[in-house]
Amino acid sequence: GQQVMQIPQYQHVQEGEDFTTYCNSSTTLSNIQWYKQRPGGHPVFLIQLVKSGEVKKQKRLTFQFGEAKKNSSLHITATQTTDVGTYFCAGLHTSGTYKYIFGTGTRLKVLA
Amino acid sequence: GAVVSQHPSWVICKSGTSVKIECRSLDFQATTMFWYRQFPKQSLMLMATSNEGSKATYEQGVEKDKFLINHASLTLSTLTVTSAHPEDSSFYICSVTDRVSYEQYFGPGTRLTVT
Repeated sequence: GQQVMQIPQYQHVQEGEDFTTYCNSSTTLSNIQWYKQRPGGHPVFLIQLVKSGEVKKQKRLTFQFGEAKKNSSLHITATQTTDVGTYFCAGLHTSGTYKYIFGTGTRLKVLA
Repeated sequence: GAVVSQHPSWVICKSGTSVKIECRSLDFQATTMFWYRQFPKQSLMLMATSNEGSKATYEQGVEKDKFLINHASLTLSTLTVTSAHPEDSSFYICSVTDRVSYEQYFGPGTRLTVT
């Protein structure tokens, strides 16, 4: 079946360091979304990427969609303690079923 | 974006009983809602797609007779966990999707504990 894997599973960084999580799909995606979930909370939509090779920035966050539309990355520059949480990618597959498959997630801890 | 509420936010029930969870889209007419389940420290697993006025579409491995979904209006979908067992204890989250932008908006979730 369709799978979306993320690496790393966990990441501990010192405040101020950069962080990157990678998302890989077994099949081609129509688009990809990124979410942040704080402990005890629900996923909050961050961004959506649609075009092959697309790059979008939100302040310290940079999102990239691969040329083949099968992988994506989220990079955070100079992490802050408020960045703590689990980051999920979610891919909409091109099979036309109109449902998102969530990645396995990367849990980020930022040490002050 | 859309505002989605869920009720209850948490529930504890005894094994063998049934629990109903409501998902409401407060400012958005949702012909489709999605139900997810999330176990501790794991990802969200799509359980089913709830379609207004018709039967829900269940993902492989999800028992439709155990997880009853009703989507009677454009703003309300319900998930009933029937004959709940401790292994059904989980975080249940619903979402609605904007059909134009494809952005997904999640409810706050319902934490179910079956004793």
